[in-house]
Amino acid sequence: EIVLTQSPGTLSLSPGERATLSCRASQGVSSTHLAWYQQKLGQAPRLLIYGASSRATGVPDRFSGSGSGTDFTLTISRLEPEDFTVYYCQQYGTSPITFGQGTRLEIK
Amino acid sequence: QEQLVESGGGVVQPGRSLRLSCTASGFSFSTYGMHWVRQAPGKGLEWVALISSEGSNKYYADSVKGRFTISRDNSKNTLYLQMNSLRAEDTAVYYCARDSEESGDIYYTYDAFGVWGQGTVVTVSS
Repeated sequence: EIVLTQSPGTLSLSPGERATLSCRASQGVSSTHLAWYQQKLGQAPRLLIYGASSRATGVPDRFSGSGSGTDFTLTISRLEPEDFTVYYCQQYGTSPITFGQGTRLEIK
Repeated sequence: QEQLVESGGGVVQPGRSLRLSCTASGFSFSTYGMHWVRQAPGKGLEWVALISSEGSNKYYADSVKGRFTISRDNSKNTLYLQMNSLRAEDTAVYYCARDSEESGDIYYTYDAFGVWGQGTVVTVSS
């Protein structure tokens, strides 16, 4: 099983700042099989990034993904108030599909 | 629009069974792989099971293998999760999710989860 470790657990920033979220895998993940999701309180997750760096339909261009191998990053260039919520990385290259434990982005 | 609606959740005693359903609309259900994902109260996301477009391939998380069964009825645009021998640790919101892209059945291609339902709550308690 591929274990995904997200850091930090909680990130405190202000609107307008840049956010950098990390996802590290216990073994190599194909970059075509790494995704990021956003989940707001009481809602289902929403796909943001797939294939490590491709934005899903309708996702603002302030969200970007990068990385390869075992280290992946989600960057939010200029934080908007609605971005302060929880983010999960996921590897879907092999079964079992696994998620990271999540990073909570909170307003400083 | 593309939509998934789960149903069948509720309160059940440990050791009992429950069947969840997920009804799809707005897309060609029979050409997509489907998944169940759960989220325990205050916890993160846990993938539970997947089924390929025609049901030839099924995979399960170790935590539910042998107790849960995923299935689908493409004539009814519906995905199912039969949950037997339920435990307290199965308490969660259960989401169904769809692969982002259409994929084959025999040679299933893993994909990100592009469409999600709103979830149904399962509580296992005596």
